[in-house]
Amino acid sequence: DIQMTQSPSTLSASEGDRVTITCRASQSISSWLAWYQQKVGKAPNLLIYKASTLESGVPSRFSGSGSGTEFTLTISSLQPGDFATYYCQQYSSYPATFGQGTKLEIK
Amino acid sequence: EVQLVESGGGLVRPGRSLRLSCTTSGINFGDYAMGWVRQAPGKGLEWVGFIRTKVFDGRTDYGASVKGRFTISRDDSKSTVYLQMNSLKIEDTAVYYCTTTSGSADNWGQGTLVTVSS
Repeated sequence: DIQMTQSPSTLSASEGDRVTITCRASQSISSWLAWYQQKVGKAPNLLIYKASTLESGVPSRFSGSGSGTEFTLTISSLQPGDFATYYCQQYSSYPATFGQGTKLEIK
Repeated sequence: EVQLVESGGGLVRPGRSLRLSCTTSGINFGDYAMGWVRQAPGKGLEWVGFIRTKVFDGRTDYGASVKGRFTISRDDSKSTVYLQMNSLKIEDTAVYYCTTTSGSADNWGQGTLVTVSS
């Protein structure tokens, strides 16, 4: 199975900051990567698929990049509703696998 | 509006079985692959498996921890996908989410809690 490793596990930031979360795959997954946001007590929400394509309705301050084994999710200017946990997921091969998550906290 | 509603969760003893259902609306169900993702209390997301559309023979794939115990099926006439869970273990305790999937999990239900405990 392909292992997905996110860093950092926890990130403290302030409103208005630019933040980047990294996701690494144990082998090449081309661009078959998705990013999700999950708020406490809620179901996850798809933000980005195919590494860099923004899901409909997702604000443009979210962006994704990368291919192969290294990927990033960037939030250009943090808003209050962005403090949540973020997960990456590869779907290059099955079983699909998730990263362990990055909790974005208010500094 | 796409809606996915899971049901069937609850408390079950180790070794027993449980079937979850996910009923959808707002989509042409037969055109969508459907998946299940779970989340143990306080933990991250775990991909459980998915079922392809009839065009792809409804073939399924599963995560390693549930393969051989869990079975996903679909009834296109009822716009419903099922997760049959057999030989349940304590570590299967989780919120189970139903999703539409195109590889990524595009739309999610609200989840249903399954607790495996003696």
